[in-house]
Amino acid sequence: AQKITQTQPGMFVQEKEAVTLDCTYDTSDQSYGLFWYKQPSSGEMIFLIYQGSYDEQNATEGRYSLNFQKARKSANLVISASQLGDSAMYFCAMSHLSGGYNKLIFGAGTRLAVHP
Amino acid sequence: KAGVTQTPRYLIKTRGQQVTLSCSPISGHRSVSWYQQTPGQGLQFLFEYFSETQRNKGNFPGRFSGRQFSNSRSEMNVSTLELGDSALYLCASSAGAPRANTEAFFGQGTRLTVV
Repeated sequence: AQKITQTQPGMFVQEKEAVTLDCTYDTSDQSYGLFWYKQPSSGEMIFLIYQGSYDEQNATEGRYSLNFQKARKSANLVISASQLGDSAMYFCAMSHLSGGYNKLIFGAGTRLAVHP
Repeated sequence: KAGVTQTPRYLIKTRGQQVTLSCSPISGHRSVSWYQQTPGQGLQFLFEYFSETQRNKGNFPGRFSGRQFSNSRSEMNVSTLELGDSALYLCASSAGAPRANTEAFFGQGTRLTVV
């Protein structure tokens, strides 16, 4: 069965420091995609970064990078130079071939608090 | 380019009633997916519509249904509401051609409270 595990219910970080949010996944598909979304208190899910199962290089988008370790089935999100506006819930999600790709499976989320 | 629009933003209903939620996807997007978010179960996939056809369905009872119109707008309906249906319902739109890197763009959600 396909599954996403986020083991950190809550994290806090000092402003301007880097933070890593953990995500492990389980799938029997060879073709899959891994996403990170940010959900502020307003409720909207904001796309941050994507990593494909066949991508050999780690994805980066501005201050966000994804540490993809395929053998360990992990896809950790690294936020560099944290800002107060980064305080939110963060969800790791997976799309996969047997799910038709448009069905995302989400982890339980990590609540990040950035302190000044 | 307008984003995904969900209406209404907030809704309060009584047990046993039915409710209809609406989602207008990004212009040109043909796939609309619905998710339920609750504190206990997290984010769960309800169903996906593409070109007016349900293409994928999650593990929800038949009280949850949806449809998609020719302009790609989608509605989801929940009949015989139960207290446990209280949740944030999120709609996501995507271009539609299924591939691993299909990015889903989400609306702000409809927060449904059943009393």
